[in-house]
Amino acid sequence: DTEVTQTPKHLVMGMTNKKSLKCEQHMGHRAMYWYKQKAKKPPELMFVYSYEKLSINESVPSRFSPECPNSSLLNLHLHALQPEDSALYLCASSQGEAAHFTSYEQYFGPGTRLTVT
Amino acid sequence: EDKVVQSPLSLVVHEGDTVTLNCSYEVTNFRSLLWYKQEKKAPTFLFMLTSSGIEKKSGRLSSILDKKELFSILNITATQTGDSAVYLCAVQAYSGAGSYQLTFGKGTKLSVIP
Repeated sequence: DTEVTQTPKHLVMGMTNKKSLKCEQHMGHRAMYWYKQKAKKPPELMFVYSYEKLSINESVPSRFSPECPNSSLLNLHLHALQPEDSALYLCASSQGEAAHFTSYEQYFGPGTRLTVT
Repeated sequence: EDKVVQSPLSLVVHEGDTVTLNCSYEVTNFRSLLWYKQEKKAPTFLFMLTSSGIEKKSGRLSSILDKKELFSILNITATQTGDSAVYLCAVQAYSGAGSYQLTFGKGTKLSVIP
């Protein structure tokens, strides 16, 4: 299994809603990532989890809350979002987080297309 | 601040043409350079380059890294309409406090017309 899966594929939510995005991989990868991608722009890193611990938080607003329940699962909890948060949210995983002597390619899931109304 | 610059930003070619996509970077503590292909949804991994001068090849695609001049090229020979996509270059670099980050360029949009 060389796939990263994400659910749901599409999500429309109001500004007062609470929803969650889910990401799963069964490749034994120990690092997982959330990216946000706006139209015609490259992905922007939001969070990195390494061995189920939050490693990087790129100054993301607190209305986005990540959670890594185990090494295969990564969630992104959403609350009180703004219309400008509408974007494609991509999950990725890699064998490990890059270190001084190693570097790992990241494999991306299909993304969740989020629309905030 | 780390920078990754891709050129051209867009390119239109005919089927059968050969194309070269460019990626230059300015980062401190470089670790690796990655190429991705993005069609409608998620980026698909193509290559990871860590050493200068060693060409990586996969079918009609090949890539090479020059760590002295700080650039990489992605070549596609005998292009097909299925090669139409945005090609993203990303550089992995040490960002401090034991962490590495992936910085993406803006991408090159390749359109292959029959």
